[in-house]
Amino acid sequence: SQQGEEDPQALSIQEGENATMNCSYKTSINNLQWYRQNSGRGLVHLILIRSNEREKHSGRLRVTLDTSKKSSSLLITASRAADTASYFCATDEKAAGNKLTFGGGTRVLVKP
Amino acid sequence: GAVVSQHPSRVICKSGTSVKIECRSLDFQATTMFWYRQFPKQSLMLMATSNEGSKATYEQGVEKDKFLINHASLTLSTLTVTSAHPEDSSFYICSASSGTVTGELFFGEGSRLTVL
Repeated sequence: SQQGEEDPQALSIQEGENATMNCSYKTSINNLQWYRQNSGRGLVHLILIRSNEREKHSGRLRVTLDTSKKSSSLLITASRAADTASYFCATDEKAAGNKLTFGGGTRVLVKP
Repeated sequence: GAVVSQHPSRVICKSGTSVKIECRSLDFQATTMFWYRQFPKQSLMLMATSNEGSKATYEQGVEKDKFLINHASLTLSTLTVTSAHPEDSSFYICSASSGTVTGELFFGEGSRLTVL
C-alpha cells in the first residue's frame, strides 16, 4: 500500500495567495519531509519535521504534523510565480532506515 | 546543502542497448544511495537501495538483472539499464544519504532516458 497520499493533486492559485496541501500516511514514522520538484528536475529538500514535533517554519513555509491522524500539511504563504512546482511529502518509516516513501505529489501553479 | 551530481541528464538509445547512469556525491561521502524511477506527472518509485561495497537491495517487482547497480565507492553509484526497451523510458533519479541522523536526502538532477 502507498505510504503518503497527498491532496489536492493539483492546485491553481493567484500570486500572493496562500497554498495549502496535505499528506496522509499509514505507518509509524521517524520523520516526514517535504520536497519540491520543478518540471524535469531533481528534488529539493524543503523541510523535515520529526515525529515529536507538531509545527515547523522555514521562511514562507509552514509545516504541521499530526501523528494521531497520521497527516501533515504544507502551507506556502504569499505565493510567487516561482513557487510553481510539484510538492511531495516523504515519510521515513521507523522500520525502514533512511529509505523514504514518497506521496503522489501536489502540482502547484501560481499565476502571476 | 550537499551536492549530488547525476550524469547524463538526457540519453536517447536504441532498443536492445545498455545505458549507464552515474550518481556522484560531490562534497560528502554517501554511505547509502537510492535509485528512483518517475513516470510523467507521477511520484517517485524507489527501485533499489545501494550501499557502498555491498550488493544493492531491490524493491519488489524491480528486476535486478535488468537494472544493475554498483556502488563501488563512497562517492559513486551507477545504474545500468541493460537491454533497454521503450517501456524503460523514464526519468531516473538518484539520492544520497550521508548517514547523519537528520535523515535528509540529497537528490541528483535526474536522467531522462528515452529508448527508441
